[in-house]
Amino acid sequence: DGGITQSPKYLFRKEGQNVTLSCEQNLNHDAMYWYRQDPGQGLRLIYYSQIVNDFQKGDIAEGYSVSREKKESFPLTVTSAQKNPTAFYLCASSIPGAYEQYFGPGTRLTVT
Amino acid sequence: AQSVSQHNHHVILSEAASLELGCNYSYGGTVNLFWYVQYPGQHLQLLLKYFSGDPLVKGIKGFEAEFIKSKFSFNLRKPSVQWSDTAEYFCAVSISGSARQLTFGSGTQLTVLP
Repeated sequence: DGGITQSPKYLFRKEGQNVTLSCEQNLNHDAMYWYRQDPGQGLRLIYYSQIVNDFQKGDIAEGYSVSREKKESFPLTVTSAQKNPTAFYLCASSIPGAYEQYFGPGTRLTVT
Repeated sequence: AQSVSQHNHHVILSEAASLELGCNYSYGGTVNLFWYVQYPGQHLQLLLKYFSGDPLVKGIKGFEAEFIKSKFSFNLRKPSVQWSDTAEYFCAVSISGSARQLTFGSGTQLTVLP
């Protein structure tokens, strides 16, 4: 079954700790994206990657980092520098040349 | 930078009522427009999209949207809603020729009462 997987579904961390969210896709998509979803604010782009070993900051990259060592994987690290990390995080991917994106099930991160 | 506005934050309708959700964007150039839907507990999924051509586009589950360039709008419509349409709806815009980034609106929560 092709798709995007994100793990875990729920994640709890203490303030001051870095945490890495997983995103894997087997759709053979080149581009991958990370969004943050907060109530009443829609989805906001954190980082995106068009090809392996390359990525760009989105609108709210501060306090986050990513890597793209493999086409299938685009992990997101929420660092201790992110002032308000509690949110729902969505990963997406798209085929080359396409505008529509396909989304994973999301990870809900709670930092206390 | 482009922005997307969805003015209705929460809409409550009874079954069989007609639906229209507003979406306006701010960008003067050529855009690609999308409506995504997030049913409770499910992935965000594409409802419909507009790239060019006929400004009235039809999507899944009986939804349609009309692109009105002069009004910078892409409103979503359905003639008769069902309880199963209860979900959050997001409008999104991508600039043609860009790095395929999507800018999303803040979303509209639709609740359909049985």
